[in-house]
Amino acid sequence: GENVEQHPSTLSVQEGDSAVIKCTYSDSASNYFPWYKQELGKRPQLIIDIRSNVGEKKDQRIAVTLNKTAKHFSLHITETQPEDSAVYFCAASRGNAGKSTFGDGTTLTVKP
Amino acid sequence: NAGVTQTPKFQVLKTGQSMTLQCAQDMNHNSMYWYRQDPGMGLRLIYYSASEGTTDKGEVPNGYNVSRLNKREFSLRLESAAPSQTSVYFCASSELVTDNQPQHFGDGTRLSIL
Repeated sequence: GENVEQHPSTLSVQEGDSAVIKCTYSDSASNYFPWYKQELGKRPQLIIDIRSNVGEKKDQRIAVTLNKTAKHFSLHITETQPEDSAVYFCAASRGNAGKSTFGDGTTLTVKP
Repeated sequence: NAGVTQTPKFQVLKTGQSMTLQCAQDMNHNSMYWYRQDPGMGLRLIYYSASEGTTDKGEVPNGYNVSRLNKREFSLRLESAAPSQTSVYFCASSELVTDNQPQHFGDGTRLSIL
């Protein structure tokens, strides 16, 4: 089955700095890569996703890049703000009923 | 539009007791999922239902059963609770179309087994 590894497990940045979280996946047939943000005590919520036919996608301060050859994808957050502090999860799926395999999460702390 | 609703929000059980976690979605999604979330281990899939009338095992199905009651509802049952099942349980749903779609999560059920 699919295996998703996510790094780093914790990340601390100063407000205004950029943050990068990286994930690697094992199944070359995976074709959908969402990122979820989970604030403390809340539900995971989608923040951005990318499909295998696209190399990069941006949404304001958030961007995701995908390297299919190397089987890794990354989340980039620019101009970080304290409200970006949360746990971020990457996931990968291959069209099997939308079933996703999640990474173990990255706890991002943005210091004011 | 409530999205995905889970009940109860909190529950404490004794070892050996049974209970059912309820999940309902009002987005007319075909696919539904049950995950457990333990500290430092992300979201692990217990069972999923690609469409009404079908259920399949995920990564960690032992000790659990599910029922897809109708298109809206997908329940998770613990027949004989064990302390190792102490966790936060999330239900999610998504559309089932040609391309994968994001999952929409409920608020979770925090379950403690004593």
